[in-house]
Amino acid sequence: QVQLQESGPGLVKPSETLSLICTVSGVSISSGSYYWTWIRHHPGKGLEWIGYTHYSGSTNYNPSLKSRVTLSIDMSKNQFSLDLNFVTAADTATYYCARARLQNDFDRWGQGTLVTVSS
Amino acid sequence: DIQMTQSPSSLSASVGDRVTITCRASQNIAFHLNWYQQKPGIPPKLLISAASGLQSGVPSRFSGGGSGTDFTLTISSLQPEDFATFSCQQSHTSPWTFGQGTKVEL
Repeated sequence: QVQLQESGPGLVKPSETLSLICTVSGVSISSGSYYWTWIRHHPGKGLEWIGYTHYSGSTNYNPSLKSRVTLSIDMSKNQFSLDLNFVTAADTATYYCARARLQNDFDRWGQGTLVTVSS
Repeated sequence: DIQMTQSPSSLSASVGDRVTITCRASQNIAFHLNWYQQKPGIPPKLLISAASGLQSGVPSRFSGGGSGTDFTLTISSLQPEDFATFSCQQSHTSPWTFGQGTKVEL
């Protein structure tokens, strides 16, 4: 059974870095059939795709966040991670890690973690 | 970016009703459209991919249609567990974008 689980701080100060880890179980993150993805959900708004990483090292970022985002993958731990720099209150959201199939739909999701940006 | 617009943003319905939600893309996305269901505190669940491909385990009362710019999600007979928010997502062109969601309420 494929499971994804986000972990990381629930509170980040403005201008600092939001860092989250997604631990994957039930499937190897080195499978070439999937992209490992971060998506966020602002209260009252639609879902926003942040970016994805692939075991090959390739990444694809949403241009709206590209200057502040780094995604990386740790195959030894079957984890992938998100770093979002210089956060503001606008980055307060529920962050999901998800598995994207090659057709770019998202078929498995973590439970989500609420991250609040506040001093 | 491709903009995805859903209508309505919310609707009230009763058990047994037939419900249709519309999603419109700002440009032609062929059949690259996916539908998700989300309930409070639970992550989104992929219901339909590639416009009409029902995912394994999803009840057959759910169906998707359309191509190009206009798509629909239909629930043929609404069940109590279907009250949720439904979102569309285009998988044609990066960045992948979602509609704002349609809340189906009792």
